Amino acid sequence: SAVISQKPSRDICQRGTSLTIQCQVDSQVTMMFWYRQQPGQSLTLIATANQGSEATYESGFVIDKFPISRPNLTFSTLTVSNMSPEDSSIYLCSVGRDFTEAFFGQGTRLTVV
Amino acid sequence: QQQVKQSPQSLIVQKGGISIINCAYENTAFDYFPWYQQFPGKGPALLIAIRPDVSEKKEGRFTISFNKSAKQFSLHIMDSQPGDSATYFCAATMGDAGNMLTFGGGTRLMVKP
Repeated sequence: SAVISQKPSRDICQRGTSLTIQCQVDSQVTMMFWYRQQPGQSLTLIATANQGSEATYESGFVIDKFPISRPNLTFSTLTVSNMSPEDSSIYLCSVGRDFTEAFFGQGTRLTVV
Repeated sequence: QQQVKQSPQSLIVQKGGISIINCAYENTAFDYFPWYQQFPGKGPALLIAIRPDVSEKKEGRFTISFNKSAKQFSLHIMDSQPGDSATYFCAATMGDAGNMLTFGGGTRLMVKP
């Protein structure tokens, strides 16, 4: 398995500000993923973070709003920029193994006021 | 991402009963179907998974039934326990998409003592 640490675990932010979420994995992984889980809802993939190349964003998500860094094979960050109350969600980092099993961090619960 | 439809949205089962959650998918390219269990405040954790070359997979009290022709799969929890109370997500992915998951909408299960 993979142990994933996310920071912060939760935060309350003012609208118009930005928050950077960190994801640290205990082993090297090729692909890392960022998901959003809106209150009481399912998980939606934001983007795939690849080391050495730009992130690949899913429909409805753009780099200006959710810039992602992947400086090495064990770490990634997701920034939620110019936040509004609609960005209040749980943001989850995920890594894969053997192109099947996916592991998730505990998530970052973001509240925008 | 192609859609995965999950039902019911919520389920109440008596202790010792059978919990059944159903999912249907559209994209025939999906070749791996995991189920995730999520407790409040935690990230999803892999429960059990199946590939379309088998019709059933059992692990302890958890069984996946898979109907390739109908593009449907289901999770059965036998002898349901209060500790099984959680949100369950079905998901699907394609081998060449790595661990990029398309999630169903989720089922909130409550097992009454």
